[in-house]
Amino acid sequence: QVQLQESGPGLVKPSGTLSLTCAVSGGSISSTNWWIWVRQPPGKGLEWIGEIYQGGRTNYNPSVMGRVTMSPDKSKNQFSLKLTSVTAADTAVYYCAHSATWSAGMDVWGQGTTVTVSS
Amino acid sequence: DVVMTQSPLSLPVTLGQPASISCRSSQSLVYSDGNTYLNWFQQRPGQSPRRLIYMVSNRDSGVPDRFSGSGSGTDFTLEISRVEAEDVGVYYCMQGTYWPHTFGQGTKLEIK
Repeated sequence: QVQLQESGPGLVKPSGTLSLTCAVSGGSISSTNWWIWVRQPPGKGLEWIGEIYQGGRTNYNPSVMGRVTMSPDKSKNQFSLKLTSVTAADTAVYYCAHSATWSAGMDVWGQGTTVTVSS
Repeated sequence: DVVMTQSPLSLPVTLGQPASISCRSSQSLVYSDGNTYLNWFQQRPGQSPRRLIYMVSNRDSGVPDRFSGSGSGTDFTLEISRVEAEDVGVYYCMQGTYWPHTFGQGTKLEIK
């Protein structure tokens, strides 16, 4: 069973870069699965940020396009999220997740990590 | 983007009674392969979301059979046949047919 664990700074300054990593255990980042980032602003709903699949191909939400990069690290069996030019609107709990297909939603979720954008 | 609209947004239910959540999409979720990619998630207080149902009506492993999903095209429903205390939380529908994948606003289920 795949397990996921997010890590990264909990506080990022406005206009800075948010960088998070998701460590994968019980499965390989190189497998034919989808590796996903979802976020949840305080007290609000879920937003799909984007996904990595087929070892490095990506799909991103247009809401963050131009600011977001997702990439795999096969040597460490993990994948990462970078979001540049952050503002207070990027404050959220960030979840990494796994899906066995491109369409059926996330069947495994990490515990989530809170990122606050503040000076 | 495909807009997912859930109702109600708040759902007080008596223990042992049924509950129903509606989810409507701004366009048909039928993909070119004939499948419909509508999924349901549960988020208990303080926890990560958990998938309950995928592709309209397929229950995930370990999900009690009191949960069921139905619907087609643009109209979908999650039903709980007899609500239990552990069902408290927020329920989200999510479409996987189009990019970006989008969620409904969430329906908060509470016990009366």
